[in-house]
Amino acid sequence: DTAVSQTPKYLVTQMGNDKSIKCEQNLGHDTMYWYKQDSKKFLKIMFSYNNKELIINETVPNRFSPKSPDKAHLNLHINSLELGDSAVYFCASSQEIETPLHFGNGTRLTVT
Amino acid sequence: GEDVEQSLFLSVREGDSSVINCTYTDSSSTYLYWYKQEPGAGLQLLTYIFSNMDMKQDQRLTVLLNKKDKHLSLRIADTQTGDSAIYFCAESKAGGGNKLTFGTGTQLKVEL
Repeated sequence: DTAVSQTPKYLVTQMGNDKSIKCEQNLGHDTMYWYKQDSKKFLKIMFSYNNKELIINETVPNRFSPKSPDKAHLNLHINSLELGDSAVYFCASSQEIETPLHFGNGTRLTVT
Repeated sequence: GEDVEQSLFLSVREGDSSVINCTYTDSSSTYLYWYKQEPGAGLQLLTYIFSNMDMKQDQRLTVLLNKKDKHLSLRIADTQTGDSAIYFCAESKAGGGNKLTFGTGTQLKVEL
């Protein structure tokens, strides 16, 4: 039913921990993305994958590592979490490059 | 540059029209998008326009694009309380890997 689904919806963890956010799309899209929305609602791209191949890698700390086991999944693993990582992380997909993005409902990460 | 700007707040009465404005600086934009974000929810694609178009209408939504002035607007006719949300404009450009640059978002409040 849900086109782009992310789990978990909420994630509360302590500084220094390692956590993962999973994303799956059932739209048959070739391209998937991770965006970060900060406390001021500003949205910025982190990564994008096209057919499991990394095509965009913005200036993101190495602690963030995306993994795409197949074109329907794009997971985000974060090592050594810091307070500044607290944000809402959105997964998205598109049919191909330069077509509209469809977003998931977001994962609210709180680092304490 | 890649700046996309919007006014932060807009308040309208139910039944009136809402006009949300957006200005961008990148003249190589190909697609321009409007997304809606309700509290605690993801980003819903409302509509989009290709850069060689001036206008696009979809039911209560009208998008106007002035490419010379790099100005995009979204008009919502007969605004309802359910339209209360944050509205984001975003641009993408050819060869950019579908990296969307988002505006700061406009909080629309619909009053009875």
